[in-house]
Amino acid sequence: DTGVSQDPRHKITKRGQNVTFRCDPISEHNRLYWYRQTLGQGPEFLTYFQNEAQLEKSRLLSDRFSAERPKGSFSTLEIQRTEQGDSAMYLCASSLGTEFTDTQYFGPGTRLTVL
Amino acid sequence: AQSVTQPDIHITVSEGASLELRCNYSYGATPYLFWYVQSPGQGLQLLLKYFSGDTLVQGIKGFEAEFKRSQSSFNLRKPSVHWSDAAEYFCAVAPRGAGTALIFGKGTTLSVSS
Repeated sequence: DTGVSQDPRHKITKRGQNVTFRCDPISEHNRLYWYRQTLGQGPEFLTYFQNEAQLEKSRLLSDRFSAERPKGSFSTLEIQRTEQGDSAMYLCASSLGTEFTDTQYFGPGTRLTVL
Repeated sequence: AQSVTQPDIHITVSEGASLELRCNYSYGATPYLFWYVQSPGQGLQLLLKYFSGDTLVQGIKGFEAEFKRSQSSFNLRKPSVHWSDAAEYFCAVAPRGAGTALIFGKGTTLSVSS
């Protein structure tokens, strides 16, 4: 079991550019979560998938944020027209079960810097 | 308002000394309770969780936590800290009820001195 992986680990972009992050969950995990973590804060839930269905997206920070999990395996998080306030660590987690209380396994995160 | 609070931003403990990290929550009903640890360059790792039953919960790496309903607290403890325990620790809650996400505190950074 290789754990949750995220790519890239670091991304530097200019304001106004689009960025896309990838998350590969632990194989056979049904649920996949995205979080954002800013400096000095705990992770903040953004959205989650159960298999390929996105069951909650109201917590996405704006309509510039979107996520997909097309085949119920890996997921992507896209931020369009990035702003400096989007600079943060973006975390992905997966779990085998179908409840929020099932143990979530986190990836190392993608650190985004918007210049 | 519903919240989870970790009052200590940074704690320094001598190696071999005991540790207690505080966590308080404010919810109408007792939520599910978790402690996670985040080491530099590593993903968050679950240390332990409390759903119901015995209020003293044992976790990995020698950690334990005690749920105290009267104080709305879920403090994390370790009897003897090792240098490798230096990391950031997050308390998290999941309000009871279907479809509710984890809510994390702001974290406590633990430094271990020799």
